[in-house]
Amino acid sequence: SQQGEEDPQALSIQEGENATMNCSYKTSINNLQWYRQNSGRGLVHLILIRSNEREKHSGRLRVTLDTSKKSSSLLITASRAADTASYFCATDANAGKSTFGDGTTLTVKP
Amino acid sequence: GAVVSQHPSWVICKSGTSVKIECRSLDFQATTMFWYRQFPKQSLMLMATSNEGSKATYEQGVEKDKFLINHASLTLSTLTVTSAHPEDSSFYICSARQPDYNEQFFGPGTRLTVL
Repeated sequence: SQQGEEDPQALSIQEGENATMNCSYKTSINNLQWYRQNSGRGLVHLILIRSNEREKHSGRLRVTLDTSKKSSSLLITASRAADTASYFCATDANAGKSTFGDGTTLTVKP
Repeated sequence: GAVVSQHPSWVICKSGTSVKIECRSLDFQATTMFWYRQFPKQSLMLMATSNEGSKATYEQGVEKDKFLINHASLTLSTLTVTSAHPEDSSFYICSARQPDYNEQFFGPGTRLTVL
């Protein structure tokens, strides 16, 4: 089974609202990354958070990591229609392989 | 940041032909690269780990004779889909691990359509 699991599976919000997506994983990790993927396109790296970090910001993105709960969240503030995409978390464990969750499909309505 | 490229970005081929996809790390040497496959509306599934100078390690359920992986140099890994069939149509994404940092960098992906 996948290491990372995102929830919700689908999220629909109005432009300007905040979107929060969660990711849970099973084993210890070195870091966790969030990616965006527009329909039919490749992955776009959003942010990487290391296991010794608790929170990182990048523009309108805020990522938190709770290693005790084995979970991470991605917050997109003041969402835009262009944020419509699928969002994946990928965990990077000691085995060196990244494992992806099933993703959250975000729809931002203008 | 480190850049990983893939070529081609998309390919359409006839059933029964073989297709080669290249994955290159442009500004760093990668001893390990990974190949993923993504079916429509699904997540990425790891297919195999490609190690420079040695045989690839395949995940369970992935046919090594069908998906040939060659990691001939520290900056290039290739995935060849042999005797492709329509069910092989998918998005193939590679990633490369930068040895100095504990981070993977992903290529943009290759969309394969087998007619």
